[in-house]
Formats: sequence, structure tokens, C-alpha cells
Amino acid sequence: GENVEQHPSTLSVQEGDSAVIKCTYSDSASNYFPWYKQELGKRPQLIIDIRSNVGEKKDQRIAVTLNKTAKHFSLHITETQPEDSAVYFCAASNKNTGFQKLVFGTGTRLLVSP
Amino acid sequence: GAVVSQHPSRVICKSGTSVKIECRSLDFQATTMFWYRQFPKQSLMLMATSNEGSKATYEQGVEKDKFLINHASLTLSTLTVTSAHPEDSSFYICSATKGRSGTEAFFGQGTRLTVV
Repeated sequence: GENVEQHPSTLSVQEGDSAVIKCTYSDSASNYFPWYKQELGKRPQLIIDIRSNVGEKKDQRIAVTLNKTAKHFSLHITETQPEDSAVYFCAASNKNTGFQKLVFGTGTRLLVSP
Repeated sequence: GAVVSQHPSRVICKSGTSVKIECRSLDFQATTMFWYRQFPKQSLMLMATSNEGSKATYEQGVEKDKFLINHASLTLSTLTVTSAHPEDSSFYICSATKGRSGTEAFFGQGTRLTVV
């Protein structure tokens, strides 16, 4: 089955800096890669996603890149703000097992200091 | 976006008792829902896939007799933790997706179970 690894486990940046979180996956059949933000004690919220037919996707300060050959994808947050502090999870799924059946990475705790 | 509601948000129960957690899709029908378990500072681990009108599909290592799942309607799935023990204490969270080909998973607010 699919295995998703995520690095780093914690990331501390100063407000205004950029933050990059990286994930690798094992199943070459995976073709949907969402990123979720989870604040303490709350539900995960989708912040951006990418499909395997696209190499990069951007939404304001957030971007995701995908390298299918290397089987890794990354989340980039620019101009970080204190409210970006949360735990971020990457995930992967594929059409064969169902896009909805997500395998999550281990999470990255992002702390943005003012 | 779609709304998934989970109830209760917190529950404390005694060892040996059973606890039922409900997951409802409020503004859409969900033929499939997913149940996850999340330990403190850890990732979401898929426990089972809840299928409307049929048996749930459990992930390897998850005891189906201990974690009973019922998906009797297109808007409701329930997870019952039977004969709960302190090691079952965790954050349980469900998700659902709109339509059969939908991709975005909408999560419930989660249920924090504490077994004393």
C-alpha cells in the first residue's frame, strides 16, 4: 500500500519568511495530492491540492509542486504570518483505491514567530 | 464547502462501556465516509471505510468487532467503540466527499474520547 513520508516534523520561521514542507510517496499509482492545515483540536482543512497531470499550482501565498518521477511533492508558503501556525499534513490517493481514501503524511508543526 | 458534523465532540466513558460517535453530512449525500484515529501530535490513521448499505472495509490491524461501523443512510455513519479501554482514548474523526468522483475530503470536527 501507499506510504507517505513528510519532513520536517517541526518548522520554526520568522514572520515574513518562506516555509517549505516536503513529502514523498511510494505508490506510483497515486495521482491526487492534497495538503491540509489542522489547528489544535480542530478539523483538518484543505488548503491546496494538485493532480498528477500538473507540476505546480499556486493560490496566493501558497503553492504546491509535484515531481512524479521522483515521487515527491512540496508545499511552499511565502510571506508567512502568525496565523499560518498550525500542523500541516500532506496526503496521497489514487483513482484505483478511490481519490477519497487518503493516506496522510506524519505532519509538520509550523510555528511562525512575530 | 460541504459540512460534515460529528457528535459528540468530547466524551468520557468508563472502561468496559461502549461509546457511539455519529458522523453526518449535512448538505450532501455521502455513499462513502471514512473514519480516522489521531493520537496526540500524530497523523491521521485510516481505520475503516464506511459504505452506505453494505459492510465497512477495515484497515489492517483494526478490529472490526471492537470498532463497529454502521452506514444506514446516505447522510449518517456511526462508529461504536465497544468495551472501551484506556488505550482506546484518542481523537476520532470522520470525513466524507461529495459525489462518487469528488476529491476534496470534508472532515467532521472530531470526537475526543477519554476512557477512564
